[in-house]
Amino acid sequence: EPEVTQTPSHQVTQMGQEVILRCVPISNHLYFYWYRQILGQKVEFLVSFYNNEISEKSEIFDDQFSVERPDGSNFTLKIRSTKLEDSAMYFCASTSTGLNNSPLHFGNGTRLTVT
Amino acid sequence: GENVEQHPSTLSVQEGDSAVIKCTYSDSASNYFPWYKQELGKRPQLIIDIRSNVGEKKDQRIAVTLNKTAKHFSLHITETQPEDSAVYFCAATQTGTASKLTFGTGTRLQVTL
Repeated sequence: EPEVTQTPSHQVTQMGQEVILRCVPISNHLYFYWYRQILGQKVEFLVSFYNNEISEKSEIFDDQFSVERPDGSNFTLKIRSTKLEDSAMYFCASTSTGLNNSPLHFGNGTRLTVT
Repeated sequence: GENVEQHPSTLSVQEGDSAVIKCTYSDSASNYFPWYKQELGKRPQLIIDIRSNVGEKKDQRIAVTLNKTAKHFSLHITETQPEDSAVYFCAATQTGTASKLTFGTGTRLQVTL
């Protein structure tokens, strides 16, 4: 069964540095998402992306965050200047038809540690 | 926006017993309610979902019920096994092209021998 893949599995960075988290969505999917989960807390929506533009974003997704689909297969999340509170697990997901008929399946996540 | 409350935060049951986790949602427009199971250090995995056009759905030992009037939905696990031990999250959304899931705060289920 095809899966969403994410790299790296763990990223350690210093406060103020830029990080790029990478995701390869399932190949025929059109809707892409980033969620995050601070350790021990619930999963939170960050952003959805469709047709090469952001569809919706949460209040967490401020100007320090950006997403991009640089080619036909990758979907990236960039944090421009990381803060300690950005430390979390970041999950990418994709669906073929939004959530109308296809459920959301997450990738294995990238654990971001900001020191 | 949508707000999802989940109870209890922790639940301990003996192997073979049933477990029930309850969620409430605030947005009457929400029409899709998935449940995810998350083992330690792993991604949330979809275990069952329900849409607002049905009141109950079952898959082997797992069932979900939905009460649209009361805006409640519940996960029922029967004949629990140690491998059911995990954190369970409910979620809700109104489906659409940019639909986002709003998650509950999670229930840590411990199945003891």
